[in-house]
Amino acid sequence: SQTIHQWPATLVQPVGSPLSLECTVEGTSNPNLYWYRQAAGRGLQLLFYSVGIGQISSEVPQNLSASRPQDRQFILSSKKLLLSDSGFYLCAWSVDPRGAMITDTQYFGPGTRLTVL
Amino acid sequence: RKEVEQDPGPFNVPEGATVAFNCTYSNSASQSFFWYRQDCRKEPKLLMSVYSSGNEDGRFTAQLNRASQYISLLIRDSKLSDSATYLCVVNMRSGAGSYQLTFGKGTKLSVIP
Repeated sequence: SQTIHQWPATLVQPVGSPLSLECTVEGTSNPNLYWYRQAAGRGLQLLFYSVGIGQISSEVPQNLSASRPQDRQFILSSKKLLLSDSGFYLCAWSVDPRGAMITDTQYFGPGTRLTVL
Repeated sequence: RKEVEQDPGPFNVPEGATVAFNCTYSNSASQSFFWYRQDCRKEPKLLMSVYSSGNEDGRFTAQLNRASQYISLLIRDSKLSDSATYLCVVNMRSGAGSYQLTFGKGTKLSVIP
């Protein structure tokens, strides 16, 4: 079965510090991968998605970036955090629609709760 | 108009009650529809997909009305464990071959003993 991991679970960082959040998926090949942010009292916002290694699409211009160095690894980074970067960061995966099993359901990891002070 | 709109609640209902949540979406080209459940400080988890003909999973029934761009979720015989935030989600295929989920802000349900 497929599983998705995120770490760290919780993070407290000062303004201006760098960030690296990691997400890995097991049990599937060539998944589509997604980074979302959920700010307090707001809905989930899609930040980045990737359909393959090295392929990143950005949905919201900001001081965050994403990379996909391996098929099942997705990394969210920032060089300098802002107060407004605080939130609940969720990684998700879905099956490659070009594969044998066509589905657009997305499955979420446990999330990283980031507080920027 | 917001892309996916839900009544934020909270809905406070007694155990055993029937409760219904509604959701409207703005993009008529939307192709897939879901209800996710999110417990406090946890990740969203898929509750059920919503099919054009309507579908039922135990105590949960989902309905889709494409003409009115309206989705509903009915929970019968509410349990304490149903307390959570219910997210209406609409999925649209992007040009890159992946799918993008647009989330409502959720409706909070509290089932009271």
